[in-house]
Amino acid sequence: SAVISQKPSRDICQRGTSLTIQCQVDSQVTMMFWYRQQPGQSLTLIATANQGSEATYESGFVIDKFPISRPNLTFSTLTVSNMSPEDSSIYLCSVVHGGSNQPQHFGDGTRLSIL
Amino acid sequence: QKEVEQNSGPLSVPEGAIASLNCTYSDRGSQSFFWYRQYSGKSPELIMSIYSNGDKEDGRFTAQLNKASQYVSLLIRDSQPSDSATYLCAVTHNFNKFYFGSGTKLNVKP
Repeated sequence: SAVISQKPSRDICQRGTSLTIQCQVDSQVTMMFWYRQQPGQSLTLIATANQGSEATYESGFVIDKFPISRPNLTFSTLTVSNMSPEDSSIYLCSVVHGGSNQPQHFGDGTRLSIL
Repeated sequence: QKEVEQNSGPLSVPEGAIASLNCTYSDRGSQSFFWYRQYSGKSPELIMSIYSNGDKEDGRFTAQLNKASQYVSLLIRDSQPSDSATYLCAVTHNFNKFYFGSGTKLNVKP
């Protein structure tokens, strides 16, 4: 399976600032997703990163708060904007290779703490 | 009703026993089914995929799918303490629209 590099692995940020998380894959992938996972909770899908167009956001998530870019088939970024302590979480990038019904594979995640 | 349901656990089994993890899903059109293992502080790792009714075995792991009853299960034989983790069931029913269960926490006691 693909090697997925997610950066940074962790960060501690001040309230009101923004952080951009990068997801780099070593081969072209069909789909890229961004998830959030609170401690002890399950995965919550933020958005699907679409190559060359605007991301598709899930209910409760908006572009102004979580702008996403995907300039090509191997790279995506998620920005967490104007952060508050409620944004403290693990953010995960996942990818799908090939056609429909293939599994997702996850990056190692970014552990974000907001002071 | 959630798309994918799992018992949150924890499920406790003694070392060497068989651990049985279950998952039900609501959409009869679901086509692909996956089990992920997630250790505390780590990201989910794919351990099994199953696409057709019946059993699929991979080492100590067996995935079972019953589309008529809309459930999928994961059996772990000869459970080891290193199997202690949260196991996530995932289902997809159209192009890359995934639904994850909330996960079952498994504790294997030495």
